[in-house]
Amino acid sequence: DGGITQSPKYLFRKEGQNVTLSCEQNLNHDAMYWYRQDPGQGLRLIYYSQIVNDFQKGDIAEGYSVSREKKESFPLTVTSAQKNPTAFYLCASSESGRYRETQYFGPGTRLLVL
Amino acid sequence: KQEVTQIPAALSVPEGENLVLNCSFTDSAIYNLQWFRQDPGKGLTSLLLIQSSQREQTSGRLNASLDKSSGRSTLYIAASQPGDSATYLCAVESGAQKLVFGQGTRLTINP
Repeated sequence: DGGITQSPKYLFRKEGQNVTLSCEQNLNHDAMYWYRQDPGQGLRLIYYSQIVNDFQKGDIAEGYSVSREKKESFPLTVTSAQKNPTAFYLCASSESGRYRETQYFGPGTRLLVL
Repeated sequence: KQEVTQIPAALSVPEGENLVLNCSFTDSAIYNLQWFRQDPGKGLTSLLLIQSSQREQTSGRLNASLDKSSGRSTLYIAASQPGDSATYLCAVESGAQKLVFGQGTRLTINP
């Protein structure tokens, strides 16, 4: 089955700790995205990548970092600089990242601070 | 700056009713508008995508309309079922890789 997988489902972070969220897709899509969702709110774009070894900041990139070493993978690191990391994180992909494409979403990772 | 608003925030209706969810956006220069469904604690599932040149899209019991000039879209659900209970999100594409989401409408269908 083609799709997007995210792991872990739940992640706990201690103060001052960096944590990495995994996102893998086997849809052969070029573009991948990371969103953050807070309770009762819509999604906000953190980072996106249209091609391997290239990525762009979204609206709320501060305190986050990404890499795109492989087409299938787009991990997100939540650094200690992100002071309010508790949220639901969603990864998505689309065929090329050009206009007018449907984005396909993974099941999400919920990050909680201890 | 594009802003997307969904009203109401929550809606509860009896099974079998037809219903309409609303989405409004402030900048009419959009490429497309998408409606998504989100079940509790899950990711998003795309329901319908309306290109800026289209007026509506239909899929089964769902019909989405788009009026760019007034900055509005509606999602019509016919003959609602308990399985339709979820949060429905609309998003507009107002730039490449730039989806702007509304806050969602939490829909409950009562048996």
